[in-house]
Amino acid sequence: EIVLTQSPGTLSLSPGERATLSCRASQSITSSYFAWYQQKPGQAPRLLIYRASYRATGIPDRFSGSGSGTDFTLTISRLEPEDFAVYYCQQYANSRYTFGQGTQLEI
Amino acid sequence: EVQLLESGGGLVQPGGSLRLSCAATGFTFSNYGMTWVRQAPEKGLEWVSSCGSGGTTYYADSVKGRFTISRDNSKNTLDLQMNSLRAEDTAVYYCAKGSTSQSGYIDYWGQGALVTVSS
Repeated sequence: EIVLTQSPGTLSLSPGERATLSCRASQSITSSYFAWYQQKPGQAPRLLIYRASYRATGIPDRFSGSGSGTDFTLTISRLEPEDFAVYYCQQYANSRYTFGQGTQLEI
Repeated sequence: EVQLLESGGGLVQPGGSLRLSCAATGFTFSNYGMTWVRQAPEKGLEWVSSCGSGGTTYYADSVKGRFTISRDNSKNTLDLQMNSLRAEDTAVYYCAKGSTSQSGYIDYWGQGALVTVSS
């Protein structure tokens, strides 16, 4: 089973700052099925980035994704108040999904 | 607009059964893999089961032999039959749409159905 490890567990920043979130896979994975999600309290997750670097429909361009192989990064260039949430990475391979444990982005 | 609407959640005793349903609209349901993902209280996301567009099914080890996923492409519905429920199955269960006929990344999520297993 492929394990995704996100770091840091919690990231404390202020509006206007830059956020860098990391997701590391236990083995090399295909970027085609790698994604990032945002989840706010009481809400379902929302797709932010797919195929490692493509923004989903309606996602502001301050969100960007990069990486390949085992190391992937989500960057939020300038934090807005509504960006403070939990972020998950996800991969799909061998007919199963795995998720990272999440990064809590807090003010 | 893609919409996924779950139903069937509730309170059930340990060892009991429950059936979740997901009604899908806004896309050609028969062309995409569908998935159930759950989230225990204050915990992260956990994959439960997936069903390809043609009906091939996959399960997490934690639910294999107890849960059964199925789909009806004529009614645009996805079901999850949950038997022998345990306290650790307590979670919000999300219906999710895959990006390909097998599954791929998840591009849409329902709002979730709460399942509570408790005596």
